[in-house]
Amino acid sequence: NAGVTQTPKFRVLKTGQSMTLLCAQDMNHEYMYWYRQDPGMGLRLIHYSVGEGTTAKGEVPDGYNVSRLKKQNFLLGLESAAPSQTSVYFCASRLAGTGGIQYFGAGTRLSVL
Amino acid sequence: QKEVEQDPGPLSVPEGAIVSLNCTYSNSAFQYFMWYRQYSRKGPELLMYTYSSGNKEDGRFTAQVDKSSKYISLFIRDSQPSDSATYLCAPDRGSARQLTFGSGTQLTVLP
Repeated sequence: NAGVTQTPKFRVLKTGQSMTLLCAQDMNHEYMYWYRQDPGMGLRLIHYSVGEGTTAKGEVPDGYNVSRLKKQNFLLGLESAAPSQTSVYFCASRLAGTGGIQYFGAGTRLSVL
Repeated sequence: QKEVEQDPGPLSVPEGAIVSLNCTYSNSAFQYFMWYRQYSRKGPELLMYTYSSGNKEDGRFTAQVDKSSKYISLFIRDSQPSDSATYLCAPDRGSARQLTFGSGTQLTVLP
């Protein structure tokens, strides 16, 4: 049982390049989340999904897009990367009806030069 | 003002010490109060949680919530070097169960 798997683990981009971060969970969870973590800022919610085919904006959605075509996958896209998007990105999933218990992936470290 | 305020530390204690980690929050709608632990270069993992006001104990860890003062605490007894990590408080904010995270307190337990 792998839990929540994020790929890639590390990436370096140049300003203006695009990329997609993949999150996969094998726990059949309904809810999935994308966060970014910056020093002194804690975890901030970018986008989330409450089910296949549905997405919603979180606290800091600008510059990101998401898709959830399959229940087990949640993709985070950066169309035109900016240095301000340098961060550690975490994906999480949660089973409906379990309060605030989220399961996190190991993170993706992204640097935008 | 942030919805959740947490002293970032860093906090350094000797092995065996009692550790107190604290958060304050402003949203009265929070009902579940989570504590996540994050080791260096890892994802957060749930440590424990409480519902509404009161205490909850799990081994060496005790979580405490005082909704009247909007104050959340985590106590660690007999702290161990393996407890060295960043601790994040995370109140549950609403029907979509979006967590609001504190900025985290970095704890180092010295052997």
